Amino acid sequence: GNSVTQMEGPVTLSEEAFLTINCTYTATGYPSLFWYVQYPGEGLQLLLKATKADDKGSNKGFEATYRKETTSFHLEKGSVQVSDSAVYFCALSDPGNQFYFGTGTSLTVIP
Amino acid sequence: SAVISQKPSRDICQRGTSLTIQCQVDSQVTMMFWYRQQPGQSLTLIATANQGSEATYESGFVIDKFPISRPNLTFSTLTVSNMSPEDSSIYLCSVQEQGGRSTEAFFGQGTRLTVV
Repeated sequence: GNSVTQMEGPVTLSEEAFLTINCTYTATGYPSLFWYVQYPGEGLQLLLKATKADDKGSNKGFEATYRKETTSFHLEKGSVQVSDSAVYFCALSDPGNQFYFGTGTSLTVIP
Repeated sequence: SAVISQKPSRDICQRGTSLTIQCQVDSQVTMMFWYRQQPGQSLTLIATANQGSEATYESGFVIDKFPISRPNLTFSTLTVSNMSPEDSSIYLCSVQEQGGRSTEAFFGQGTRLTVV
């Protein structure tokens, strides 16, 4: 079946540090891949997405590349800010538009 | 993108009581989805609500415990019935929209439920 496995947290970084949150997936067919972000007290917001192999999604300085050969979609940012503190969820949608989410990774950025 | 308003945003309830969560979307959508997010865990789909028909429940969730209403294309409610502390979670309403080559999911801000 379909599933998403992402790096466990919590992750604590200093401001301007490099961020990587690992995400791997298992899926039949050709899923679309997503990163969602959940700020404190809010719902999930779409951060970026990629719909086919080798696509790179990017937004707000975050990037992730759809790697079919390694079934991965790792989230990266070159220089994190305090305002990036949130919970990040990796997700996939299958051709039937069913969504599957990872367990979330909590990120805290300290000044 | 869809804007989803969900209320209440949080509540503390006594065990054995019921809570109804409301979800309002700013556009008409065919399907609305209800998720549960337990502490430290991923989102779990409870059910899919279609206007004009019975909701479709996922394995492990039943209508008697989580009755859902879907009176029109912009509104849905989820009731958590006969609550116990194990029902303490965040409950999220979601809709999907086509975004380019894929379908995207949009979420309300969630209802943080604590059962005491």
